[in-house]
Amino acid sequence: GQQVQQSPASLVLQEGENAELQCNFSTSLNSMQWFYQRPGGSLVSLFYNPSGTKHSGRLTSTTVIKERRSSLHISSSQTTDSGTYLCALERRSNNRIFFGDGTQLVVKP
Amino acid sequence: ETAVFQTPNYHVTQVGNEVSFNCKQTLGHDTMYWYKQDSKKLLKIMFSYNNKQLIVNETVPRRFSPQSSDKAHLNLRIKSVEPEDSAVYLCASSYWSSAETLYFGSGTRLTVL
Repeated sequence: GQQVQQSPASLVLQEGENAELQCNFSTSLNSMQWFYQRPGGSLVSLFYNPSGTKHSGRLTSTTVIKERRSSLHISSSQTTDSGTYLCALERRSNNRIFFGDGTQLVVKP
Repeated sequence: ETAVFQTPNYHVTQVGNEVSFNCKQTLGHDTMYWYKQDSKKLLKIMFSYNNKQLIVNETVPRRFSPQSSDKAHLNLRIKSVEPEDSAVYLCASSYWSSAETLYFGSGTRLTVL
C-alpha cells in the first residue's frame, strides 16, 4: 500500500487566503521533509521536520508522530506560492524514501 | 543558492540511444541520489551512493547505471533508452543519509522520441 498520502490533490485559492496541506503516513519514520516545486522548476526544501512545529515566514510545518501526520500551513497566500508541494518521509525500517503524490496549488490574484 | 549542479538541463534523443547525465555537489556531502519524476510529478528514488556503497532501487531497469568518481560526483548513464524513460531526473545530496536535509539539483528533462 501507499506509504504516504497527501491531500488535497489540488487546491485553488484567492490571494490572501490560507492553505493547509496534509501528509499522512502509515509507517514509522526517521525523517519528514516538505518540498516546493515551481512549474517546470527544481525542488526546494521547505522544511526538514521529523517532529514538532517549525516556522519559516508565512509557512508552518507540524509533524505529529503519534497521529502519523504532517501538515504544511501557508498563511496569506500569494500568487508566487503557486506550484507543487511534496512531502517525503524516510522509513525507519529500511531507510527508504517515499514521496507523496503532491498538492498542486494555484493562487489567483 | 545552487549547490547541486546537473547537466544537461534538457536532452532529446531517440529510442535505443545511450545518454549520460552529470551531477556534482559542492556541499561536501557524503551521499548522493538519483530520483526520477514522471509526468504526474511522482518522485521515485533510483539510486543512493554513500562512501562507494551503492543502494539500488530494485525496480530500476538494468539499462540504468550510476557512475561515481568521487563523493562529489554521481552521474547517471542509460543504455538504450526506452520511451518510458522520458521524465525529469533529479540529483540530490545529503550529509549522511536521507535523514538529513536533501538538497536537489534543477533536474534534467529527458525526452525519448
